[in-house]
Amino acid sequence: DAGVIQSPRHEVTEMGQEVTLRCKPISGHNSLFWYRQTMMRGLELLIYFNNNVPIDDSGMPEDRFSAKMPNASFSTLKIQPSEPRDSAVYFCASSAGQTSGNTIYFGEGSWLTVV
Amino acid sequence: SQQGEEDPQALSIQEGENATMNCSYKTSINNLQWYRQNSGRGLVHLILIRSNEREKHSGRLRVTLDTSKKSSSLLITASRAADTASYFCATARQGGSEKLVFGKGTKLTVNP
Repeated sequence: DAGVIQSPRHEVTEMGQEVTLRCKPISGHNSLFWYRQTMMRGLELLIYFNNNVPIDDSGMPEDRFSAKMPNASFSTLKIQPSEPRDSAVYFCASSAGQTSGNTIYFGEGSWLTVV
Repeated sequence: SQQGEEDPQALSIQEGENATMNCSYKTSINNLQWYRQNSGRGLVHLILIRSNEREKHSGRLRVTLDTSKKSSSLLITASRAADTASYFCATARQGGSEKLVFGKGTKLTVNP
């Protein structure tokens, strides 16, 4: 079975541009997570969905960030407008929930550079 | 605030030696998990230990959990160069939340 699939793998964009990151979770998983990883702050949970519904978005930095999950097989994380401090690796992850002990399966990440 | 904190931040050993990494956390947990991240890759789940367990083994990995001290350790025995990676602990808080909070990791280098 394919793992969590993220796109793009790498993106370089100019400050002020809109960035959209995409994620396809593992089929059958009902929870989806967006994490951000930087050297300074480590791995931060931005938002997570359960059955396509946002459950906890307390980690979303500010209104420039938004996430959607229109169906069980697709999610987006959008940054508009982007700023240099948004440069980071963004990971999408999915989980089968309590039945798997909350084990999370990560994608390979989207490496974002905002110049 | 960060739930899990790994110690040490970096560890360098020779192939064949054992590597021990520690994790401390602050609140009551349902379980604690260890993940591995190779450079430039996503995190990969290694092992999960539940709050009512004290020790767990998986291959060359041994995890202990001391809920009274709110700490865990990950031991990798007979290390190999391929074990070079960052290792993270993650905790799921008591109460059923699926939210996993990660520490900043221990960067392990195994020298051939």
